[in-house]
Amino acid sequence: KAGVTQTPRYLIKTRGQQVTLSCSPISGHRSVSWYQQTPGQGLQFLFEYFSETQRNKGNFPGRFSGRQFSNSRSEMNVSTLELGDSALYLCASSPRGDEQYFGPGTRLTVT
Amino acid sequence: AQSVAQPEDQVNVAEGNPLTVKCTYSVSGNPYLFWYVQYPNRGLQFLLKYITGDNLVKGSYGFEAEFNKSQTSFHLKKPSALVSDSALYFCAVRAALRNFNKFYFGSGTKLNVKP
Repeated sequence: KAGVTQTPRYLIKTRGQQVTLSCSPISGHRSVSWYQQTPGQGLQFLFEYFSETQRNKGNFPGRFSGRQFSNSRSEMNVSTLELGDSALYLCASSPRGDEQYFGPGTRLTVT
Repeated sequence: AQSVAQPEDQVNVAEGNPLTVKCTYSVSGNPYLFWYVQYPNRGLQFLLKYITGDNLVKGSYGFEAEFNKSQTSFHLKKPSALVSDSALYFCAVRAALRNFNKFYFGSGTKLNVKP
């Protein structure tokens, strides 16, 4: 089975712009979660989607949003980018809600 | 509130020696506990999990973890470390059933295995 894929792998944006990140889960996995990883804050949960519905949400501002399509692919959008949004964004899929399988991440740099 | 603590930012061990990476947790109800490993510029890889049953859980690459309910700990162990085990290790707990798939991760422990 193919693993979790994320595109793009690297992205450079300027402050004030918006960005969309994409995640394709492992085939058959209906749960997709997003995390932000930074050196200072570690791994922080953004949100989780299951069957096109947001089921859980972390403590991030409304600039961070996401969606999930009928084929379980998910996108994450960040509007009005700030320097502090520079991070590795990780997507993870799960078959049953126990272990998660992570993609390689998208490295976002905001200048 | 659910939380995970990894008290050591870094663990140094010589190749061939046993290693332990510590994790303590706080969770409502029965814990679902996990260990993940992250290599540079890569996503996290699942190592092992504890859901129920035997307190000693065996996982990938020769790693194992011991669940201790009284001490609320889930330490990762390996009898003989390899240089290739050098990586960042994360402990995680899954929140109670109401927040079905919400995971809380520790801050990570960098493991350095020296030849």
